[in-house]
Amino acid sequence: EPEVTQTPSHQVTQMGQEVILRCVPISNHLYFYWYRQILGQKVEFLVSFYNNEISEKSEIFDDQFSVERPDGSNFTLKIRSTKLEDSAMYFCASIASSYNEQFFGPGTRLTVL
Amino acid sequence: DQQVKQNSPSLSVQEGRISILNCDYTNSMFDYFLWYKKYPAEGPTFLISISSIKDKNEDGRFTVFLNKSAKHLSLHIVPSQPGDSAVYFCAASGGNQFYFGTGTSLTVIP
Repeated sequence: EPEVTQTPSHQVTQMGQEVILRCVPISNHLYFYWYRQILGQKVEFLVSFYNNEISEKSEIFDDQFSVERPDGSNFTLKIRSTKLEDSAMYFCASIASSYNEQFFGPGTRLTVL
Repeated sequence: DQQVKQNSPSLSVQEGRISILNCDYTNSMFDYFLWYKKYPAEGPTFLISISSIKDKNEDGRFTVFLNKSAKHLSLHIVPSQPGDSAVYFCAASGGNQFYFGTGTSLTVIP
């Protein structure tokens, strides 16, 4: 069964450092998403991506964040200068088309020290 | 602005009984609703969905009910099993954008 994969599973970084979280969505999917979940809190939408551009982003997704689909298979989330409050689980998701369920990756746990 | 709300953060149910998880939404433009199940340290997994043209969708032990006039949906699990213990998120969509509730942690007691 096809699945969304994410690497690394756990990333530890120092405050102010840049991190890149990687996702490989399901191959025939067209819409891609990043979410985060701070420990004990809700799943929060960050950004959606379609046709090689951002289609929607939340208030959380400020200038410190960027997304890219560099090679047609990977979908990356970059945080330029991490803050302590960026510590969270980051989930990538993809869907084939509108009105379909999202398939989520297993998540990357980001710890900012 | 919380467009999708799950007002019960937790629920405990005896094995074999029915679990009912509730979800409310505010945006009348939502027309597709989903339930996801999430275990610790894993990504959410899709459970069941319903479109706004229906008021009920059933898949094995799982049934989702939609009340559009009340902007309310619920997930029924019957009979509940210990393996159902997880956090359940409802989500609403108006197309390719999804809005998640805060989740309800279900514990099924053997």
